[in-house]
Amino acid sequence: QVQLQESGPGLVRPSETLSLTCNVSGSPLNSGYFWGWIRQAPGKGLEWIGNVYHSGRAYYCPSLKSRVLISVDTSKNHFSLQLTSVTAADTAMYYCARRDSSAFGSYFDYWGQGILVTVSS
Amino acid sequence: DIQMTQSPSSLSASVGDRVTITCRASQFINTFLNWYQQKPGKAPKLLIHTASSLQSGVPSRFSGSGSGTDFTLTISSLQPEDFASYYCQQSHSTPYTFGQGTNLEIK
Repeated sequence: QVQLQESGPGLVRPSETLSLTCNVSGSPLNSGYFWGWIRQAPGKGLEWIGNVYHSGRAYYCPSLKSRVLISVDTSKNHFSLQLTSVTAADTAMYYCARRDSSAFGSYFDYWGQGILVTVSS
Repeated sequence: DIQMTQSPSSLSASVGDRVTITCRASQFINTFLNWYQQKPGKAPKLLIHTASSLQSGVPSRFSGSGSGTDFTLTISSLQPEDFASYYCQQSHSTPYTFGQGTNLEIK
């Protein structure tokens, strides 16, 4: 049974760095999947942040690319998100998810429950 | 970026109704289109991937169709647990983008 669980601080000061971790069970990080972060501002839609492979190769949303780093730790079977220089616009529910793929497309098939991060002084 | 436009943004329907939600991509995406259901306070749940493939464990009343730029999600007979928000998402190219969502409410 694949499970993902986000952890990290729920409150971050403006201009500081948001750091979250996604602990994965039931699916080794090096089992051929990409792993992603998606966020949802309160009352808004879903925004893809980026994906990472177990090798460390990562793809980011261009609008966030200058501030984002997604990394993996296969020994702990978790991956992490860092978002620097946060503002109130980064207040959102942050989800981690597994990205599966076939020859015909890719999709997020398992999601964490999400963690609400508020940016406020 | 590929823009995804869903319609309608909100929809009122009754239990037993047949409901269709549409999603249009701003450019050709073949069948690289997924549908998710999200209930309040919960994470999105994958319903349909690659336009028409039903995810394991999802009831057969859900179906998806389309290719190119125009796609539909159909619920053949609404059940009480289906009242939720629905999002389409393209995986043709990064950045992956989602539709703005369709809020399905009880009439």
